Amino acid sequence: DAEITQSPRHKITETGRQVTLACHQTWNHNNMFWYRQDLGHGLRLIHYSYGVQDTNKGEVSDGYSVSRSNTEDLPLTLESAASSQTSVYFCASSPGSSGANVLTFGAGSRLTVL
Amino acid sequence: AQKVTQAQTEISVVEKEDVTLDCVYETRDTTYYLFWYKQPPSGELVFLIRRNSFDEQNEISGRYSWNFQKSTSSFNFTITASQVVDSAVYFCALSVSYNTDKLIFGTGTRLQVFP
Repeated sequence: DAEITQSPRHKITETGRQVTLACHQTWNHNNMFWYRQDLGHGLRLIHYSYGVQDTNKGEVSDGYSVSRSNTEDLPLTLESAASSQTSVYFCASSPGSSGANVLTFGAGSRLTVL
Repeated sequence: AQKVTQAQTEISVVEKEDVTLDCVYETRDTTYYLFWYKQPPSGELVFLIRRNSFDEQNEISGRYSWNFQKSTSSFNFTITASQVVDSAVYFCALSVSYNTDKLIFGTGTRLQVFP
């Protein structure tokens, strides 16, 4: 069965370190998204991609970067982790080219920055 | 700009009570889509329903029903005869047709159903 997987599921790191969260989907979806979830804020869009070599900034992109070198993967990198980036991160994907598609979400990655 | 407001931060009910979760949205676009997702204590996000802006028919699925009213920009979710398993955080979300599946989420409503 097709799926979307995130790794690691839990990570603790220190301020200033670089961290990469992986997202891999086997749906062959064109669109991929990264959201962060924080109490009182719901889910907020960090970055998104509509296809290979395409990346776009979302609402809260400062301090994060992504790259899309193939259809299956959209890794999220925190160049220099900050305590404000402690959060639960969700990756999602959708087929493409419509506002009507249902996003399929990964199980989430909980990141703690000490 | 688009926005989704879920004014109810937390709701507590006793099993078998009916409960309505409110969702108010803002958009100037005429074509848009509204969604509800459920996040149980295990943390995953579960899709519940999608509704497009041209279809104001209410929908019922078992104990769940949705009331879409363009006149008040609301897309409310009612659970009839609530059960403990309904305890979760519920998110309302909006996407507009030209933004290709980008979802704008509300802040969520935590529902606790007590036995």
